[in-house]
Amino acid sequence: EPEVTQTPSHQVTQMGQEVILRCVPISNHLYFYWYRQILGQKVEFLVSFYNNEISEKSEIFDDQFSVERPDGSNFTLKIRSTKLEDSAMYFCASRSGSENTIYFGEGSWLTVV
Amino acid sequence: QKEVEQDPGPLSVPEGAIVSLNCTYSNSAFQYFMWYRQYSRKGPELLMYTYSSGNKEDGRFTAQVDKSSKYISLFIRDSQPSDSATYLCAMRDSSASKIIFGSGTRLSIRP
Repeated sequence: EPEVTQTPSHQVTQMGQEVILRCVPISNHLYFYWYRQILGQKVEFLVSFYNNEISEKSEIFDDQFSVERPDGSNFTLKIRSTKLEDSAMYFCASRSGSENTIYFGEGSWLTVV
Repeated sequence: QKEVEQDPGPLSVPEGAIVSLNCTYSNSAFQYFMWYRQYSRKGPELLMYTYSSGNKEDGRFTAQVDKSSKYISLFIRDSQPSDSATYLCAMRDSSASKIIFGSGTRLSIRP
């Protein structure tokens, strides 16, 4: 069964460092998303991406965050200068153009120290 | 008022019981309703999808949507210990790309 894959599964980084989280969405999907979940809290929307541009973003997704689809298969989330409060599980997700359901990856656990 | 409200639990029931999980919402434009299951430190796994009002059944799971009351439910019949997880409701309106999650209900099935 097709799935969304994410790397790394866990990353520890020092405050102020840049982090790139990588995702391979389900092939032939057209919509791509990043969500995050701080430990013990709800799953929060960060950004959606369609047709090579951001289609929607939340107030969490400030200038420290960026997304890119550098080739036909990868979708990345970059955090330019990490803060302690960026520690969370980051989920990538994708959706086809014909379905209304979104499929999630297993997540990348980011710890900022 | 939060867009999507969900009782966080925890909810503990004996094996074999019928479980009822619920969410309420405030945005009448929501049309697509989903239930996800999330195990600890894992990604949300899609369980059920329903468009607009009505019922949908898949094995031991039944999803109900009542748009007039802005209320959705997930029923689990013959609950198993392996059903122990956090259950997240999620919804979307037709004009938006994103889905909005409830806070999740932590469910524990006692053997």
